[in-house]
Amino acid sequence: EVQLVESGGGLVKPGGSLRLACAGSGFNFNNYNINWVRQAPGKGPEWVSSISSSSTYIYYADSVKGRFAISRDNAKNSLYLQMDSLRADDSAVYYCAIWQRPLGIWGQGTMVTVS
Amino acid sequence: DIQMTQSPSSLSASIGDTVTITCQASQDISRFLNWYQQKPGQAPKLLIYDVSNLETGVPSRFSGSRSGTDFTFSISSLQPEDIATYFCQQYDSVPRTFGQGTRVDIK
Repeated sequence: EVQLVESGGGLVKPGGSLRLACAGSGFNFNNYNINWVRQAPGKGPEWVSSISSSSTYIYYADSVKGRFAISRDNAKNSLYLQMDSLRADDSAVYYCAIWQRPLGIWGQGTMVTVS
Repeated sequence: DIQMTQSPSSLSASIGDTVTITCQASQDISRFLNWYQQKPGQAPKLLIYDVSNLETGVPSRFSGSRSGTDFTFSISSLQPEDIATYFCQQYDSVPRTFGQGTRVDIK
């Protein structure tokens, strides 16, 4: 089964750090650009960051630039998001997602609460 | 940044009705537009990619089209299982941006 599974969410105090992980399976992880997208309660999705298949290209939303760092380990079929200097408005469900053909999949999400 | 203006924000329709949602991009995004369905407590599910292509397994009552920077998503015969929130998303340029969402429920 083709899937993405996030982990690492939780409750953290303002100014704290958290590292999210996303494990891919059922497809050739190395071939795909992958994204982090977050969604605050009752709000629409917000793109956070993207990383290309070989980590050559990395992009961030302005709201997280300088505080978050995306990375991947293709040998482990894993994607990561290091989140530092967390703020209350970073509270959301964080999804990893692929929308590069032929895939179009999202994980089930991991909740991050900053309080 | 490319703004995606989605309307309406919510709608109520009867079973069997045709439902239409629009997204207007603030600049040209070519065909780099997806449509998602999201049910409460679930992740968004990709329904349509590249404006009008149905994802595998998605019923044919869902469709998408484009006229310039205006994009339309339709459900041709609304079913009870279609109750959800729908989002458009552009992936022409960074930052990727989403529409504000349209909540669809049964009248």
